[in-house]
Amino acid sequence: GAVVSQHPSWVICKSGTSVKIECRSLDFQATTMFWYRQFPKQSLMLMATSNEGSKATYEQGVEKDKFLINHASLTLSTLTVTSAHPEDSSFYICSAPLGAGSDEQFFGPGTRLTVL
Amino acid sequence: DAKTTQPTSMDCAEGRAANLPCNHSTISGNEYVYWYRQIHSQGPQYIIHGLKNNETNEMASLIITEDRKSSTLILPHATLRDTAVYYCIVKMNGGFKTIFGAGTRLFVKA
Repeated sequence: GAVVSQHPSWVICKSGTSVKIECRSLDFQATTMFWYRQFPKQSLMLMATSNEGSKATYEQGVEKDKFLINHASLTLSTLTVTSAHPEDSSFYICSAPLGAGSDEQFFGPGTRLTVL
Repeated sequence: DAKTTQPTSMDCAEGRAANLPCNHSTISGNEYVYWYRQIHSQGPQYIIHGLKNNETNEMASLIITEDRKSSTLILPHATLRDTAVYYCIVKMNGGFKTIFGAGTRLFVKA
């Protein structure tokens, strides 16, 4: 089946630094990808929709200048957490539908971010 | 997208069927019922989806009531590896944005 990968799988950084997380569709092209955040013992919260070749669409309450999204190719979307703080520590997950109008959506394995 | 209601947690004995209910009384005619699960510290995994007919695949069966206001996910022979949070989601087909509720935490016990 289709696979979505994320890199890194985990990262620890100091407060104030920026961290980039990559999401790749390995055997299919994705014009759209989604980014989620999940705090411990909570459900996934949709942060934004990443659109290839255009600006991302952010959900209400998500700071676009804080969470920079770039979808430069049909197989890669990146999420950059800028000036990270301890409250940004979370599990970040991306997903991609198999194709335009597809029912199937594949999720990456997640990236655990810890900000010290 | 319609909202869903699921029990917070459930237990199931290994080898027995796990029946996970979901209420979606405000579902509209063109919305599908999707089920995903998330094993601890992993990304969600698609299980099954349906519109109004019952569906079965290698992982599970989905039973949707005739009025489509509720559904049940059935894992026919639960194993310890089925311990996970199961999410019932209602959304339009091809409308990729998937909004997760709280889900049901299923514990499969030996």
